Amino acid sequence: EIVLTQSPGTMSLSPGERATLSCRASQSVSYNKLAWYQHKVGQAPRLLIYGASNRASGIPDRFSGSGSGTDFTLTITRLEPEDFAVYYCQQYGGSPLYTFGQGTKLEI
Amino acid sequence: QVQLQESGPGLVKPSETLSLTCIVSGGSISNYYWSWIRQTPGKGLEWIGYIYYTGSTVYNPSLSSRVTISIDMSKNHLSLTLRSVTAADTAVYYCARLHSYGYEEFDPWGQGTLVTVSS
Repeated sequence: EIVLTQSPGTMSLSPGERATLSCRASQSVSYNKLAWYQHKVGQAPRLLIYGASNRASGIPDRFSGSGSGTDFTLTITRLEPEDFAVYYCQQYGGSPLYTFGQGTKLEI
Repeated sequence: QVQLQESGPGLVKPSETLSLTCIVSGGSISNYYWSWIRQTPGKGLEWIGYIYYTGSTVYNPSLSSRVTISIDMSKNHLSLTLRSVTAADTAVYYCARLHSYGYEEFDPWGQGTLVTVSS
């Protein structure tokens, strides 16, 4: 199983600041098939980034993804109030085929 | 815009069978892969399995002996059956479309339905 470790577990920032979230894989992620999601309580998780660095449709350009192999980063520049949520990374490969990180809570 | 909505009983007794439905609206089930994912306090997000619209399935090995995912093209919905449930199966269950962009990502997701296993 490919284990994804996200850090930090909780991040306290203010609107207008920059957030850098980390996702580290226990093995190399196949073809950088790594995605990031935003999740707010009571809502459907929302795809932000696919293929490690591609923004999904409708996602503001303040969200960006980078990385390859085992180390990936989600960066949110100029935090907006609606950005405070839990963020998960997810990878494809190994057994089981899909695994998720434990999440980073971004709080004010 | 495709939307997904999960439904099913919120309470299931231990050893019984959990059955959930995911209705797909705003688009066809055809030509896509569809998945079930759950979120538990202890294990976080866990992929359960996926089904292609043709009916072919792949399951998480940790659940494969107890799970069945099926699809009903006429009703544009997919279903999840999980047998012999225990308290460890208490979770929020989500359905999601797979490969929307071709990079093994899940998009969109439903809002999820909470299932509690308790006598």
